Amino acid sequence: GENVEQHPSTLSVQEGDSAVIKCTYSDSASNYFPWYKQELGKRPQLIIDIRSNVGEKKDQRIAVTLNKTAKHFSLHITETQPEDSAVYFCAARDDKIIFGKGTRLHILP
Amino acid sequence: ETGVTQTPRHLVMGMTNKKSLKCEQHLGHNAMYWYKQSAKKPLELMFVYSLEERVENNSVPSRFSPECPNSSHLFLHLHTLQPEDSALYLCASSQVATGTYEQYFGPGTRLTVT
Repeated sequence: GENVEQHPSTLSVQEGDSAVIKCTYSDSASNYFPWYKQELGKRPQLIIDIRSNVGEKKDQRIAVTLNKTAKHFSLHITETQPEDSAVYFCAARDDKIIFGKGTRLHILP
Repeated sequence: ETGVTQTPRHLVMGMTNKKSLKCEQHLGHNAMYWYKQSAKKPLELMFVYSLEERVENNSVPSRFSPECPNSSHLFLHLHTLQPEDSALYLCASSQVATGTYEQYFGPGTRLTVT
């Protein structure tokens, strides 16, 4: 069945540096790749998504890249800030949505 | 509160109890979901309903029984649970069950089985 692998499981970066989280998926029919952010004690919320006909999408400090040939996609956060500390989930969707296991991002002061 | 609401927010129950979790969405969506979130499996999809019809059941034990009386409400009926069922149960909704639509999550119910 469909599988989504997410790495790393934990990531610590210095405030102001960049953070990169990577995901791979197995179902080549997947055509939608959202990223969700879950702050401590709060619900997951969509922060950015990309569709299979696009290779890159950017929204201020957040960007996502997609390589359909290699079946991997990545989240890039630049100029990290304390409020970026959270768990980030990638997902891949064809007819059903599969989430990665999450990355706990710590922004160090 | 607008969006997706869940009640109760916290629940402690014994293994012989019967309880129900409730979810309500105020977004006019046609699809609703139950997820289990635990340290072991951070976001585990349990059930999907589309237009009140269950379209997905991911090998969930029968001690969890979902009910979707209309497109705005979703219940999860619980009976004879096990301690390993303790987790955060998240409800979500989306415009439709397939395709490129954002899922909106509720705040979750923190369930503890004693």
